[in-house]
Amino acid sequence: DAEITQSPRHKITETGRQVTLACHQTWNHNNMFWYRQDLGHGLRLIHYSYGVQDTNKGEVSDGYSVSRSNTEDLPLTLESAASSQTSVYFCASSRGETQYFGPGTRLLVL
Amino acid sequence: DAKTTQPPSMDCAEGRAANLPCNHSTISGNEYVYWYRQIHSQGPQYIIHGLKNNETNEMASLIITEDRKSSTLILPHATLRDTAVYYCIVRSQIQGAQKLVFGQGTRLTINP
Repeated sequence: DAEITQSPRHKITETGRQVTLACHQTWNHNNMFWYRQDLGHGLRLIHYSYGVQDTNKGEVSDGYSVSRSNTEDLPLTLESAASSQTSVYFCASSRGETQYFGPGTRLLVL
Repeated sequence: DAKTTQPPSMDCAEGRAANLPCNHSTISGNEYVYWYRQIHSQGPQYIIHGLKNNETNEMASLIITEDRKSSTLILPHATLRDTAVYYCIVRSQIQGAQKLVFGQGTRLTINP
């Protein structure tokens, strides 16, 4: 069955380190999204892509980057992890109106 | 995208219909109403969406008022597994405007 996966599911890192969170979908969806979820803020959009080589900033993009070299993957990179980036990260994909979300990655930055 | 207003929490007895309201008084003509839910620690799950007509699928029904300024999500026979945070989202389907803006949602608790 087609699906969307995220890895790792849990990650602990130190301040200043570079961290990459993987997102892989097998639906061949053009659109992919990264959100973060914190207590009291709901889900907030970090970056999104409408196709290969296309990337766009969301409302909380500072400190994050993405690249889209193929349809299936949209890795999210934290260039220099900060404690404020401790959060749960969700990846999603869509072709039309409906977004399908991955299981999430819990990131702790110490 | 138009903003939405939802009650922060609701309770419902198992087996009864759960009716979750959403106000979107600034909705524009080309904006759809979407409902997602998030069960604890999981990724959000799509439920249903509509423009102006009432919609029904295997999960729920969506009732949109004639002026489109509010809507109600109906879970006809709530079960304990329906306990979740429910998000009402209004957005355009204009090409390129695929982003979802999540509010705080309604925390629905189904009681045995």
